[in-house]
Amino acid sequence: KQEVTQIPAALSVPEGENLVLNCSFTDSAIYNLQWFRQDPGKGLTSLLLIQSSQREQTSGRLNASLDKSSGRSTLYIAASQPGDSATYLCAVRPAGGTSYGKLTFGQGTILTVHP
Amino acid sequence: NAGVTQTPKFQVLKTGQSMTLQCAQDMNHNSMYWYRQDPGMGLRLIYYSASEGTTDKGEVPNGYNVSRLNKREFSLRLESAAPSQTSVYFCASRGIPGQGTGETQYFGPGTRLLVL
Repeated sequence: KQEVTQIPAALSVPEGENLVLNCSFTDSAIYNLQWFRQDPGKGLTSLLLIQSSQREQTSGRLNASLDKSSGRSTLYIAASQPGDSATYLCAVRPAGGTSYGKLTFGQGTILTVHP
Repeated sequence: NAGVTQTPKFQVLKTGQSMTLQCAQDMNHNSMYWYRQDPGMGLRLIYYSASEGTTDKGEVPNGYNVSRLNKREFSLRLESAAPSQTSVYFCASRGIPGQGTGETQYFGPGTRLLVL
């Protein structure tokens, strides 16, 4: 059974710092990996999606990398801002034609960026 | 586009009562999903619908039923609510893989359910 772990569970940094969030998964047979952001009391917003054949994806100040063979992904946030404060979740979709997009989620990293 | 909408936003039930959570998407997506989110457990898949007319169990289906009413709507029903079903419920949808952002899942704002 696929298990997804995110470390650290919580992170507090001063504004302007570059930071890395980690995600690991136990089964390397994945179709893709997604990073989401969740603000308190809100739904999830997709940030980046990396296909299994890709090594990284970038969007603005965000960069996500994927090392499928070692079961690891990182989300790099450059020049953090207080508005980046949220919970960040990673999720993997298993490989195989019958997965129908089903995702397995990690428990998230709660990020606080203080001014 | 409203994206994915869910009703109600918040509900309090007594043990044994029934209710239906509604979800609709206006993105012409084929696949729809119901998740629950609990502290320390993360998000877990309850049921999903790969396309109109089909539904399948996810990781934690016990105590729930679903209906894919049409391509837009996917409802989740609790027939006899239990305190263990106190949670935040999220609906999500996904487009057609290989087309645009087809692999990305779009989430609704959630329904917060308290069962006493």
